[in-house]
Amino acid sequence: KAGVTQTPRYLIKTRGQQVTLSCSPISGHRSVSWYQQTPGQGLQFLFEYFSETQRNKGNFPGRFSGRQFSNSRSEMNVSTLELGDSALYLCASSLAPSGGADTQYFGPGTRLTVL
Amino acid sequence: AQSVTQLGSHVSVSEGALVLLRCNYSSSVPPYLFWYVQYPNQGLQLLLKYTSAATLVKGINGFEAEFKKSETSFHLTKPSAHMSDAAEYFCAVSDANSGYALNFGKGTSLLVTP
Repeated sequence: KAGVTQTPRYLIKTRGQQVTLSCSPISGHRSVSWYQQTPGQGLQFLFEYFSETQRNKGNFPGRFSGRQFSNSRSEMNVSTLELGDSALYLCASSLAPSGGADTQYFGPGTRLTVL
Repeated sequence: AQSVTQLGSHVSVSEGALVLLRCNYSSSVPPYLFWYVQYPNQGLQLLLKYTSAATLVKGINGFEAEFKKSETSFHLTKPSAHMSDAAEYFCAVSDANSGYALNFGKGTSLLVTP
């Protein structure tokens, strides 16, 4: 069974631009979560989607948004990029909405560099 | 609010020696606890998880962790380190108050020397 895939793997943007990252969950998984990883702040939860609905949201500004499609694929968008948005963005999928015991499987991430 | 503290941002052990990575958590409700490993330029891989069943949890690659409620700890151990264990290790907690989102510690970088 294929794992979680994320595209693109690497991305370079300039300040003020916007970016869209894509995540395809493991087949059969309906929940997708997004995390940001930076050297300074570590791993931080962005949001979770299940059945095309945002189920949970972390403490990030409104420039960060996401959506989920009917096939469970998810995209996240960051508008008006700032230097501090440079990070590894990780997507994780699970069978059902995170209920504690359900395992989240992570993709390899998208490395975003903002110049 | 829940939190996770990993003691020691860098740990160095000799090949064949015991690996001990420390994790303490705080949560006002029963937590679920996880250990993930990250190799360079890769995503996170689940090593093991505690979900209120047995307090001693066995994971992949010979790792195990013990949930100690009285100490609010979930330390990760492995009896004998291999060179391939060198990686970044993350402890995470989730609970109902956070909507079960994973809250990660800052990570511990494990170096294994020959």
